Amino acid sequence: ELKVEQNPLFLSMQEGKNYTIYCNYSTTSDRLYWYRQDPGKSLESLFVLLSNGAVKQEGRLMASLDTKARLSTLHITAAVHDLSATYFCAVDRRGGAQKLVFGQGTRLTINP
Amino acid sequence: NAGVTQTPKFQVLKTGQSMTLQCAQDMNHNSMYWYRQDPGMGLRLIYYSASEGTTDKGEVPNGYNVSRLNKREFSLRLESAAPSQTSVYFCASLAGTSGDNVLTFGAGSRLTVL
Repeated sequence: ELKVEQNPLFLSMQEGKNYTIYCNYSTTSDRLYWYRQDPGKSLESLFVLLSNGAVKQEGRLMASLDTKARLSTLHITAAVHDLSATYFCAVDRRGGAQKLVFGQGTRLTINP
Repeated sequence: NAGVTQTPKFQVLKTGQSMTLQCAQDMNHNSMYWYRQDPGMGLRLIYYSASEGTTDKGEVPNGYNVSRLNKREFSLRLESAAPSQTSVYFCASLAGTSGDNVLTFGAGSRLTVL
């Protein structure tokens, strides 16, 4: 059974600091997705990682995938208040169809 | 484009009542999904439909039924609601199973069962 675990679950940080969110998963997969959710809102796609060593960057966010370690990271550089949200990683079971298994989410609060 | 539209946005039910959550997409997507979101648990897949007329169970299907009425619409029915089904429900759709396609989510339906 595929399990996806994120840590930390809660993260409070100051503007301007760097931090990393970790996403571990339990069985082989080479498809991993990161989503953002603002309070009371729906989920918005951030990154698609489809191979070992994949790295994607958008603004102050960078995501990477290590399929051998079954680990993805979401790195935040020089955080700004607008990045406050809940971030989810999600893994596609082998066989595709994007029946995703989500992590618990990391609630990120960035204080001015 | 409206994208994925869910109705209703909010609903309060008493234990044992039934209801249907409606979902429609206007992007001509093949696959559609129902997820539930509970605090501290991320999203969990309830049911999935790869195409019109086909459905498949997800992680947590018990207590739910679905209908893929046509390519646009995918409904989720609770026949006898229980307090454990209090949750936020998200419908999503997907153009194809290529890995670089991403799910498009609806705005969510918040259901409370008393």
